[in-house]
Amino acid sequence: DQQVKQNSPSLSVQEGRISILNCDYTNSMFDYFLWYKKYPAEGPTFLISISSIKDKNEDGRFTVFLNKSAKHLSLHIVPSQPGDSAVYFCAVQTSGTYKYIFGTGTRLKVLA
Amino acid sequence: DGGITQSPKYLFRKEGQNVTLSCEQNLNHDAMYWYRQDPGQGLRLIYYSQIVNDFQKGDIAEGYSVSREKKESFPLTVTSAQKNPTAFYLCASLVGNTIYFGEGSWLTVV
Repeated sequence: DQQVKQNSPSLSVQEGRISILNCDYTNSMFDYFLWYKKYPAEGPTFLISISSIKDKNEDGRFTVFLNKSAKHLSLHIVPSQPGDSAVYFCAVQTSGTYKYIFGTGTRLKVLA
Repeated sequence: DGGITQSPKYLFRKEGQNVTLSCEQNLNHDAMYWYRQDPGQGLRLIYYSQIVNDFQKGDIAEGYSVSREKKESFPLTVTSAQKNPTAFYLCASLVGNTIYFGEGSWLTVV
């Protein structure tokens, strides 16, 4: 039973437009949320995170939104660049533990 | 040069053999992790360790073993009991609330 779901396996957007990546989770005990970017045959790179006490966090072109009532997390990338083409994973931390659970990933392709 | 170092990058083994993947960090991080990536299945947690001489099973620990004798080292052994060991293995460590990953190790069992 997947606790963290990324329902879109792939997404294509035009360069300069907004990319929106989504993540849904099932457990209200998750209290810290992260996004990672991954290129093939490399380790994931941390992008941005958000605590459950916030609903938005912004870092340059990347913004993460958290909707706790809907148990939904999203990552917005504006403007999208060809170098953003990669697989994006959301991750959640279970409150009071060191355990982090990852979603299945969304492959983003930014078209020049 | 600091960070998380995984070795080897590529490893081939015959079926039925145990193999150990190395993970070393010089960041003085307490918690360390092992994840496995298969196509379409994201990153799945194998084992994690909060402190030296302590570790917990993740979601797919069967067929794997770990040790944490030193803070900087968290090796993963893929045993012959692991039914489908061919995968990309990722080691990570924790700072604050954020996990940072090594470059990964490809294990192919033939």
